[in-house]
Amino acid sequence: DSGVTQTPKHLITATGQRVTLRCSPRSGDLSVYWYQQSLDQGLQFLIQYYNGEERAKGNILERFSAQQFPDLHSELNLSSLELGDSALYFCASSVTERGAYNEQFFGPGTRLTVL
Amino acid sequence: TQLLEQSPQFLSIQEGENLTVYCNSSSVFSSLQWYRQEPGEGPVLLVTVVTGGEVKKLKRLTFQFGDARKDSSLHITAAQPGDTGLYLCAGISEKLTFGTGTRLTIIP
Repeated sequence: DSGVTQTPKHLITATGQRVTLRCSPRSGDLSVYWYQQSLDQGLQFLIQYYNGEERAKGNILERFSAQQFPDLHSELNLSSLELGDSALYFCASSVTERGAYNEQFFGPGTRLTVL
Repeated sequence: TQLLEQSPQFLSIQEGENLTVYCNSSSVFSSLQWYRQEPGEGPVLLVTVVTGGEVKKLKRLTFQFGDARKDSSLHITAAQPGDTGLYLCAGISEKLTFGTGTRLTIIP
């Protein structure tokens, strides 16, 4: 158990819909990262927040957005869903801002299926 | 775009055999990490290698970072069924860039 929690574990929805994925970081971690893992693209970095502020952006689509709240939990919002958005979405957390240089702890993921 | 290619993509071997997984890139990374991911779980960090030419050992696992900091290898000695999983290398620059992955199956 990494200490990072993600809800829901599974999510099935239809094309065109909007969903919200939730992540609670490890106690004491200020950075939250979101990743997408699909069979054809592998594990890809989407976005990082540090203490409520956006710190880095990766391959995140404009239809996707995220935020980190004062209690440090984070939400990833996916809208106008397409079949190709079906994937595992992971949240990770780290103590510092420069998470790439420190250990990131990954949650168990949310499996999103778009029908 | 920084790409990390791992080979082989799939590997299935008998318990007790040795194996090596490779991670190659055309880009230089300041350091590199190896993760193992099991079904239904997120990746778990195994090791971070920082210096070109560095070798780190973790029980039966030996990790090496290439001299030019563009490639790395993971060698497992006397593989066990518990080693089964998806192995991911990740290059560290401004962010983590994950490799394409090697899915390893150890047959009892």
